[in-house]
Amino acid sequence: DAGVIQSPRHEVTEMGQEVTLRCKPISGHNSLFWYRQTMMRGLELLIYFNNNVPIDDSGMPEDRFSAKMPNASFSTLKIQPSEPRDSAVYFCASTRQPQETQYFGPGTRLLVL
Amino acid sequence: KNQVEQSPQSLIILEGKNCTLQCNYTVSPFSNLRWYKQDTGRGPVSLTIMTFSENTKSNGRYTATLDADTKQSSLHITASQLSDSASYICVVSPRTSGTYKYIFGTGTRLKVLA
Repeated sequence: DAGVIQSPRHEVTEMGQEVTLRCKPISGHNSLFWYRQTMMRGLELLIYFNNNVPIDDSGMPEDRFSAKMPNASFSTLKIQPSEPRDSAVYFCASTRQPQETQYFGPGTRLLVL
Repeated sequence: KNQVEQSPQSLIILEGKNCTLQCNYTVSPFSNLRWYKQDTGRGPVSLTIMTFSENTKSNGRYTATLDADTKQSSLHITASQLSDSASYICVVSPRTSGTYKYIFGTGTRLKVLA
């Protein structure tokens, strides 16, 4: 198995631009998580999907952030408009069941200028 | 508030030496405690997992211990190697049915020098 796949790996954009991050979870995994990691705050859960349905989006910072999971093999995290404080590494993780070990993707390093 | 605190924040050791990383948590009750290793530029990878009833778990040169009474866990690395240079993250899962909200520590950055 290829593991969790994320794209792009790096993204540099200007403030106000739209950013779309993509994730392909491990096949057969029913739970998908989007995290944001910064030096100051560590890993923070943004949103959790189970069987393609958003269960908890309370971690999404603002209305500028949105996430979708149209099918079991694909999810997107969108930031519109982006701001410099959104600069961070964004991880996607998947697991078969919520309490099982999460498998993380390589992350997308986002820099908003 | 459920919290996971790790110490030290960073650590530098010489190759071949042992080291111990600490994790104190206030999450209670909890289901399990994990240690993850995160190499630079990569996502975290699970090293060990212990349920609340276990007090030690090994994975090669990595040994995790858990003291549920004092709410402390440690990760001991034996005979360190250059490839052990990474961040180590302690993660606690609250014991709530179907919970998905893992509580992450901010990690310990380990640097192993030749």
